[in-house]
Amino acid sequence: GAGVSQSPSNKVTEKGKDVELRCDPISGHTALYWYRQSLGQGLEFLIYFQGNSAPDKSGLPSDRFSAERTGGSVSTLTIQRTQQEDSAVYLCASSLGDRQYEKLFFGSGTQLSVL
Amino acid sequence: AQTVTQSQPEMSVQEAETVTLSCTYDTSESDYYLFWYKQPPSRQMILVIRQEAYKQQNATENRFSVNFQKAAKSFSLKISDSQLGDAAMYFCAYERGTSYGKLTFGQGTILTVHP
Repeated sequence: GAGVSQSPSNKVTEKGKDVELRCDPISGHTALYWYRQSLGQGLEFLIYFQGNSAPDKSGLPSDRFSAERTGGSVSTLTIQRTQQEDSAVYLCASSLGDRQYEKLFFGSGTQLSVL
Repeated sequence: AQTVTQSQPEMSVQEAETVTLSCTYDTSESDYYLFWYKQPPSRQMILVIRQEAYKQQNATENRFSVNFQKAAKSFSLKISDSQLGDAAMYFCAYERGTSYGKLTFGQGTILTVHP
């Protein structure tokens, strides 16, 4: 596609349920990032994938959060046993991945609401 | 750890006027980049402008320019000839030299443009 695509756009779930958020990066982009934006806050880095290298998971807030990237393209962020504090917008971004300080291309995010 | 502070939660400007958004950061690194991103209601983050720390010349992109004061660790964004389409949340962000897309964001400034 022309841009980074995320689905679903909005997700409402009950506390304790698992959720999966999907990100489809721009074709040809080897780097993929997940960020979280809590209400009224800036973005918080979660995880970074670069090609076939081991992901940088240093931003994941707890072991309930995990992410994978299949075939170097689509990524799924999974949150297990959701809590109310997980409510936020989850943004995915991608970049060419071949240099520092690259422009990141963001999707429109998934608004997650945990009731 | 690096921190980015935006001290203006909200700003407003009249159409065609000029407005300046403030940002300060804290780092002990010498190699880094600074960014301003715009987030309209669509939630999609859009890169407005970026500045390499080693460059003394302030970056400019059409109506957008920055005032980069390295010693003061200040990075303000000036929007000239403001347009209604400039209304959005603006985020200042920092990237360390070895961080490859792991940005540290400020809390954001909501910009309102009055016709």
